[in-house]
Amino acid sequence: KAGVTQTPRYLIKTRGQQVTLSCSPISGHRSVSWYQQTPGQGLQFLFEYFSETQRNKGNFPGRFSGRQFSNSRSEMNVSTLELGDSALYLCASSPGQENSPLHFGNGTRLTVT
Amino acid sequence: GQQLNQSPQSMFIQEGEDVSMNCTSSSIFNTWLWYKQDPGEGPVLLIALYKAGELTSNGRLTAQFGITRKDSFLNISASIPSDVGIYFCAGRPSVSGGYNKLIFGAGTRLAVHP
Repeated sequence: KAGVTQTPRYLIKTRGQQVTLSCSPISGHRSVSWYQQTPGQGLQFLFEYFSETQRNKGNFPGRFSGRQFSNSRSEMNVSTLELGDSALYLCASSPGQENSPLHFGNGTRLTVT
Repeated sequence: GQQLNQSPQSMFIQEGEDVSMNCTSSSIFNTWLWYKQDPGEGPVLLIALYKAGELTSNGRLTAQFGITRKDSFLNISASIPSDVGIYFCAGRPSVSGGYNKLIFGAGTRLAVHP
């Protein structure tokens, strides 16, 4: 069974630009969550999508948004990039039930210059 | 907000030694998950715990869900060089609809000397 696939693996963007990251969950998984990982703040929850609906949201500004498609694939968008948005963005998938574990992809490393 | 205190922050051990790390919180969690992250990769799930008092093993790894639901520990026995990496605990808060809004510890960086 293929794992969680994130594309691209690396991105370099300039301040003010926008970026879209993609995540394909494990086959059969209906929940996709996004996390930001930085050396200073660690792993922080961005949002979760289940059956194309946002089910949970973390404490990030509105510049961070996402969506989920009918095939459970998800995209995350960051607009008006800031230097502080440089991070590893991780996607995790799960079947979606309350007590199901999350499985992470290898992330997209975003560098904002 | 909710926080997880993970300790120790780092460990330097000799190959063959046992390792113990733990996470504590003032909040109650429904699920505890332990992950290992290698450089340039995403966290890999090691053990998932769902019930207070639960003790679960995965090879040389053993983890327990604290009876108060506010803590968990991970033990690694007879460490080997490939155990090197960063270990994270993650808790699923005890709130309705919490689902996959996990709270992560800051990580324990493990170095193993052959």
